[in-house]
Amino acid sequence: AQSVTQPDIHITVSEGASLELRCNYSYGATPYLFWYVQSPGQGLQLLLKYFSGDTLVQGIKGFEAEFKRSQSSFNLRKPSVHWSDAAEYFCAVVWGQGGSEKLVFGKGTKLTVNP
Amino acid sequence: SAVISQKPSRDICQRGTSLTIQCQVDSQVTMMFWYRQQPGQSLTLIATANQGSEATYESGFVIDKFPISRPNLTFSTLTVSNMSPEDSSIYLCSVEQVFGYTFGSGTRLTVV
Repeated sequence: AQSVTQPDIHITVSEGASLELRCNYSYGATPYLFWYVQSPGQGLQLLLKYFSGDTLVQGIKGFEAEFKRSQSSFNLRKPSVHWSDAAEYFCAVVWGQGGSEKLVFGKGTKLTVNP
Repeated sequence: SAVISQKPSRDICQRGTSLTIQCQVDSQVTMMFWYRQQPGQSLTLIATANQGSEATYESGFVIDKFPISRPNLTFSTLTVSNMSPEDSSIYLCSVEQVFGYTFGSGTRLTVV
């Protein structure tokens, strides 16, 4: 069955350090991939998406992600983390076709930023 | 992107009662989705609602417990029926757009 795996439940980094959040998917065709962020008590905000083309995609807030088909991965990166980046991050994939598409989420990675 | 207004934003309800959550979109959309986010968990799709047809429910969710209406292309409701404490969650609606999916701010439901 199609699935999205985020191996890291919780990651702690120091402010100013680099960040990489992992996401692996299981899907037969070329997937549509997303990263969302959810700050405490807030709704979901789209950080970036991959549909096709350039495998390195840029998003908001200085985030980027790279699609690697050979590894079935779509890892999220940021070169220098800010305290305001502390939040829950969700990787998601669209699967299905012909009007039955739906967005399926990974379990999320909680990011803590130390001063 | 579309703007989604979801209400109520939060509610505390007695077990055995029902709550209807409304989702209003500022543009016409074909597909609307309802998700549940249990405490400390990820989002789980409850159902997909297309205007003019019955909602399609995911495994583990049934219409009697979560009836959905979709009277037009800008509005949908989700009812959580005969609530129990296990229904305490955040419920979110979402719409599909060309560039991705937009989410409402959610309804935080507590059942006591």
